[in-house]
Amino acid sequence: AQKITQTQPGMFVQEKEAVTLDCTYDTSDPSYGLFWYKQPSSGEMIFLIYQGSYDQQNATEGRYSLNFQKARKSANLVISASQLGDSAMYFCAMSGFLNSGYSTLTFGKGTMLLVSP
Amino acid sequence: EPEVTQTPSHQVTQMGQEVILRCVPISNHLYFYWYRQILGQKVEFLVSFYNNEISEKSEIFDDQFSVERPDGSNFTLKIRSTKLEDSAMYFCASSESPQGNIQYFGAGTRLSVL
Repeated sequence: AQKITQTQPGMFVQEKEAVTLDCTYDTSDPSYGLFWYKQPSSGEMIFLIYQGSYDQQNATEGRYSLNFQKARKSANLVISASQLGDSAMYFCAMSGFLNSGYSTLTFGKGTMLLVSP
Repeated sequence: EPEVTQTPSHQVTQMGQEVILRCVPISNHLYFYWYRQILGQKVEFLVSFYNNEISEKSEIFDDQFSVERPDGSNFTLKIRSTKLEDSAMYFCASSESPQGNIQYFGAGTRLSVL
């Protein structure tokens, strides 16, 4: 069974500073993907970044980067130069394979990020 | 940019009524999913769908739920007899392939069962 753990229920950061949101995972699958999604107060789920378990380099997408440490089973999201619009709930998720071989996503409980001026 | 579209954005229904939640996945995607998020809780997988059949379902997806792709563009989730505990945000997602591929989510349908 797969498990995603996000230990920070809430994080505060000042505008223009960097922030790291923690995520650890557990799986027995040799191949998996790690994802971060953003959920603003309006409720939609916005894909931010993806890291494959065999990718050698950490993923980056604009101001987002994923600090992937496979041995530690961690996939932390780093947001550089925070903006007020970054205030939202952030979910870490992992893709894996149930019995059929088809992928599903397992989500963590999320971290609420608040960016202050 | 292509996106997953869900309608309605908010559905209010009486307990025991049937509801159909609608989704239009991204046009070149072949794999479709429904997830549920009860208020304040994490997102939970319900079902995945490929080639006009269910490929995987969770224990949440019991006999009161069904999915269908009635035409080439729509993907629906039906809840036959709604219960109070079905109140949640329901997300549709789609991906090009099932293996580690990015799942893009719609904006969700908030279902309120009274």
